[in-house]
Amino acid sequence: KQEVTQIPAALSVPEGENLVLNCSFTDSAIYNLQWFRQDPGKGLTSLLLIQSSQREQTSGRLNASLDKSSGRSTLYIAASQPGDSATYLCAAGAGSYQLTFGKGTKLSVIP
Amino acid sequence: DTAVSQTPKYLVTQMGNDKSIKCEQNLGHDTMYWYKQDSKKFLKIMFSYNNKELIINETVPNRFSPKSPDKAHLNLHINSLELGDSAVYFCASSGQADTQYFGPGTRLTVL
Repeated sequence: KQEVTQIPAALSVPEGENLVLNCSFTDSAIYNLQWFRQDPGKGLTSLLLIQSSQREQTSGRLNASLDKSSGRSTLYIAASQPGDSATYLCAAGAGSYQLTFGKGTKLSVIP
Repeated sequence: DTAVSQTPKYLVTQMGNDKSIKCEQNLGHDTMYWYKQDSKKFLKIMFSYNNKELIINETVPNRFSPKSPDKAHLNLHINSLELGDSAVYFCASSGQADTQYFGPGTRLTVL
């Protein structure tokens, strides 16, 4: 059974800093790895999706990497802004469209 | 032009009642999902439908019954509501690119 762990559970950084969020998964036989953002009281917004054959994906200030052999993914956020404050969720995709989510990292970017 | 919509946004009801949550997507996706996010913010899949066929049914009480009248709709009906059913329920959909798009959520409170 797939288990996804995200560390740290919460992170507070000053504006402008670069930061890394970590995600680990127990079963390396994944189909893809997805990163989402959740704002308080809102639904999830997809940020990046990395297929199992890929090593990384980039979108603007975000870069996600995937190392299947070690069961790890990281989300790098460059030049953080207060608007980046949210909970970031990592999800490991298996066959049959199933996603297993971590519990998330709550990020606070201090102006 | 909302991609994935859910109604209602809030639902407050008494124990023992039966209620439904509706979900619609206008993205032309073939696959739709229901997720439950508990009080600790842990997000877990409940059901997945592909082309109106059930493909994932996690360990969910049979009081929960999904219904998909067509590819654009996946409704969730809950019988005999219990206190432990209180949570936020998210609908999502995905297409060929695998990225899942989430609705805004329905906060269910059972009194």
